[in-house]
Amino acid sequence: SQELEQSPQSLIVQEGKNLTINCTSSKTLYGLYWYKQKYGEGLIFLMMLQKGGEEKSHEKITAKLDEKKQQSSLHITASQPSHAGIYLCGADLHRNNAGKSTFGDGTTLTVKP
Amino acid sequence: GAVVSQHPSRVICKSGTSVKIECRSLDFQATTMFWYRQFPKKSLMLMATSNEGSKATYEQGVEKDKFLINHASLTLSTLTVTSAHPEDSSFYICSARAFLAGETDTQYFGPGTRLTVL
Repeated sequence: SQELEQSPQSLIVQEGKNLTINCTSSKTLYGLYWYKQKYGEGLIFLMMLQKGGEEKSHEKITAKLDEKKQQSSLHITASQPSHAGIYLCGADLHRNNAGKSTFGDGTTLTVKP
Repeated sequence: GAVVSQHPSRVICKSGTSVKIECRSLDFQATTMFWYRQFPKKSLMLMATSNEGSKATYEQGVEKDKFLINHASLTLSTLTVTSAHPEDSSFYICSARAFLAGETDTQYFGPGTRLTVL
């Protein structure tokens, strides 16, 4: 089974609606990263979380880390078409992994105007 | 911020030829860069860790003689796909590890290179 599971795999929402994407790890999280990717392009760094209970926000996107549950959630408030894309979570699953990260399969978000 | 570029963005080649992809950190030095491969609707698969001045470290199942990595300077790593075949067609993404002032260790990604082998 995969070490990092993302859900849902895809999501279609109406503009203005809120949504949540989850990322669950089968191992202890030493760092959790959220990225956004447009198809055929590179990854754009959104946020990094390291401590249990940590919560960060950037514009209308908020990410939280539940260390005990080995899970992170990404919440978008009042979604807009510009939020559409693929959201990937990445994680450091070893205490000293020399910067290597493991990635989930991504969540494809479509926002209907 | 930290900017990583890749060149070329797209390349089409004939089967049996070799293709070189460059990854550059534009405004910072990177002793460590990573090369990933991404399949359609799938996540990034780490291929290798590129270390400046030393040999690359390859992940299990990745042929080092097939995917040659050279990290000759603190701002440039190259991936050469040798004797490319159609099954090597994919989206290749590099990232560079940065320790920017006021921030913790973060990976910054290049825009990717779409390789199509005919």
